[in-house]
Amino acid sequence: AQTVTQSQPEMSVQEAETVTLSCTYDTSESNYYLFWYKQPPSRQMILVIRQEAYKQQNATENRFSVNFQKAAKSFSLKISDSQLGDTAMYFCAFLSNFGNEKLTFGTGTRLTIIP
Amino acid sequence: DAGVIQSPRHEVTEMGQEVTLRCKPISGHDYLFWYRQTMMRGLELLIYFNNNVPIDDSGMPEDRFSAKMPNASFSTLKIQPSEPRDSAVYFCASSFHRSNTEAFFGQGTRLTVV
Repeated sequence: AQTVTQSQPEMSVQEAETVTLSCTYDTSESNYYLFWYKQPPSRQMILVIRQEAYKQQNATENRFSVNFQKAAKSFSLKISDSQLGDTAMYFCAFLSNFGNEKLTFGTGTRLTIIP
Repeated sequence: DAGVIQSPRHEVTEMGQEVTLRCKPISGHDYLFWYRQTMMRGLELLIYFNNNVPIDDSGMPEDRFSAKMPNASFSTLKIQPSEPRDSAVYFCASSFHRSNTEAFFGQGTRLTVV
């Protein structure tokens, strides 16, 4: 079974700074998908960014980018020029490519952006 | 599309009562998921459907929980009888075809069993 580990329960940074959230996972598969979801106080789960394991290039979405290290099974999220609206819980998630539709989530990192 | 719609947003019920949570997925999506979120256990997948058929219900905690999807636009999650330990936020999500596409989540139902 796959596991996803987020070792940082809480983080805080000053507005406009860059912050990196860590995520590691464990799997025996070679092809899979990785996601970062954001959960603001409104409770809605929102997809931030996705990475397909067979793609070597790191995914980017505006101020959000990932550092995907397949051999190390590491998938960190970098938020540049952080904004107050980035304050939220961030969840890393794993999805197998072999017909199992289960998203396995990490325990989350609570990120606070300080004005 | 209005997104995944869940109702109610909040539910408070007494122990032993039946609780029904409702979900309307995004039109055209053929996968529907029910998740439960608690402080202790984080986000757990309870069950998911493909084309209205339950595919994997191994996450359903016990027989008190049941889920149905009578048609492509509606699903229910029922707890009978409810217990205080069922208190959690329950999310419904839907996605289209293969899951390399985004799973869209509803805003969740916060259930409190007293």
